[in-house]
This record gives sequence, structure tokens and C-alpha cells, in this order.
Amino acid sequence: EAQVTQNPRYLITVTGKKLTVTCSQNMNHEYMSWYRQDPGLGLRQIYYSMNVEVTDKGDVPEGYKVSRKEKRNFPLILESPSPNQTSLYFCASRPRQGPYNEQFFGPGTRLTVL
Amino acid sequence: AQSVTQLGSHVSVSEGALVLLRCNYSSSVPPYLFWYVQYPNQGLQLLLKYTSAATLVKGINGFEAEFKKSETSFHLTKPSAHMSDAAEYFCAVTRLGAGGTSYGKLTFGQGTILTVHP
Repeated sequence: EAQVTQNPRYLITVTGKKLTVTCSQNMNHEYMSWYRQDPGLGLRQIYYSMNVEVTDKGDVPEGYKVSRKEKRNFPLILESPSPNQTSLYFCASRPRQGPYNEQFFGPGTRLTVL
Repeated sequence: AQSVTQLGSHVSVSEGALVLLRCNYSSSVPPYLFWYVQYPNQGLQLLLKYTSAATLVKGINGFEAEFKKSETSFHLTKPSAHMSDAAEYFCAVTRLGAGGTSYGKLTFGQGTILTVHP
């Protein structure tokens, strides 16, 4: 089944404790992206990647890191989480060609930083 | 720059009534427009998309949207609401990147929560 998977689905952590949220897709998509969803703000892009070893900042990159060492994986790293990073996070992927192509979203990771 | 505004953070309708969710966009170049739906505790699912082929776009679950360039709008409609339509709906816009590249960043609206009453 074609899908985007994220782990963990739920995470409660404390301020300053490094964490990684994994994202993996099995559709051989070049483009991957991370979003955060907050009430009243919709989804905002954190980082995106056009291909392996090619990443760039989105609209709200502060406090986050990403890496793209393999085509299928795009982990999101919070080196020192803070309470304002409490949010619902989505990973997405799509084929590189054609911005009109559908982005496929993962199920989301709900993060709480105490 | 591109942006999306969804009018109304909450819309409530009775079962069987018309559903109208409003979306206005801003884009300096021809846009590609999308509607996504998010059911409780789930990810986003594509409802429909506009890619300049036709101004009236039909999607899944009986939804459709009409692209109106003069009004910079892309409102989502469904003639008769069903209880299963209760969800949050997001309008999104993208475009070709500089030089015609296929970067295509998605910019989302704030979302509209649709409630359907029996």
C-alpha cells in the first residue's frame, strides 16, 4: 500500500530533551515536506526537500532540523524542544514533477512539550 | 507571494442542506488550487484540485469547486450534506517556482470546521 508513515504518533516530552520524529514514504517520491498544524493557523511548512541531500527552509524553520540521507526517509529533529513547539506535525511527499500533483500526507504526530 | 483566506472558521449545516465553504486566494501568477479534508485524528486527504484544465472541478464524496479568476475564489460546495462530511477542510494554493521549476510550495488557509446536524 502506498503510504507515508510517521513515528511516533503521540509524544510527550520535556523542555530541552532532544527528539526525532521519523517519516518514511514508499512511493519513490522526490519531494518531501514537514508541516505543523496549529488551531486557527492551518498548516505551515517547516522544511522541505527536493531530493536526497537537498533541503531548504519553509515558513517556520526555527528550532527544527531535517536531513535527507535516503530518498524514502525525512526525519524531523528538535534539538532542544520548547513548549511553543507543542503542535500536530505532518509529513508529506509527492513526485517532484508538477506542483499540481497531489501531496500525500502521513497520519500526523501530536507532540506535547512540557 | 501567495496566500489563502478561508472565510469562516466554523460552518454548521443541517443534514441534507447545501454546504458552502469559502476560499479566496492571492497569487501573482496562475495558481494551482486544492481542497483537502481532515477527519478527526487523521491526516489530510485530497478532495479535489484545480490545474487550469476546467474551472468547475468535481472531487470525491460529491464535492465540487469552481475557480473564478475575477473573484480570486475557489469555493467548495456540496448540494446535500451528510453526517459523514463533518471534518475540517483546508484550501491550499501552489504555483510554479521561479523559472518554471516544479517546486510548488503549498500554502494553506486557516481551515474551516464543518459541523453537520441531524
